[in-house]
Amino acid sequence: ETGVTQSPTHLIKTRGQQVTLRCSSQSGHNTVSWYQQALGQGPQFIFQYYREEENGRGNFPPRFSGLQFPNYSSELNVNALELDDSALYLCASSSPGTRAGEQYFGPGTRLTVT
Amino acid sequence: GESVGLHLPTLSVQEGDNSIINCAYSNSASDYFIWYKQESGKGPQFIIDIRSNMDKRQGQRVTVLLNKTVKHLSLQIAATQPGDSAVYFCAENNTGGFKTIFGAGTRLFVKA
Repeated sequence: ETGVTQSPTHLIKTRGQQVTLRCSSQSGHNTVSWYQQALGQGPQFIFQYYREEENGRGNFPPRFSGLQFPNYSSELNVNALELDDSALYLCASSSPGTRAGEQYFGPGTRLTVT
Repeated sequence: GESVGLHLPTLSVQEGDNSIINCAYSNSASDYFIWYKQESGKGPQFIIDIRSNMDKRQGQRVTVLLNKTVKHLSLQIAATQPGDSAVYFCAENNTGGFKTIFGAGTRLFVKA
């Protein structure tokens, strides 16, 4: 059983550019959540995808968007990057029947916006 | 608004001692409270959770206590080991189950 994987590991972008981050969920998991973790802070919920549809969203602007594919992998897209978007982006997968909050995180993608 | 916060940003304990990490929350409507451990370079790892209708739950070397009267959550780690060194986050999950709200974290240092 493979765990949650994310790519790339690190990324440097310039303000105003667009970025796509990728996540492969753990085998058997059909729900993926994305979080933004600023340095020294706890993760902040961006949104969740369940069966290819957005299932809930946190307080993030529309320039943060996502997709989930039939194999349950997911992408996070951020348009018009701002300096404050610099953070660790985490995805987490879970499956029906698990307790709320029992989600499995990937190692994250470190995004730096200059 | 909703918030989950921690009393102490860092905690240093001697190897073999028990550790207690505290957390305050403000949303009385949350159904679950969760503790995560995050080691350097890794994503958070689920440790243990507790439902809002429980006061105590035990796992392997860990115990979570919930005091709804004062909206307080704690994580107790027995016989703390060097491998327990990490940042610990308390979190809460809302009724819909899709949004987990994390606190800022406590860094635990274990001295050998």
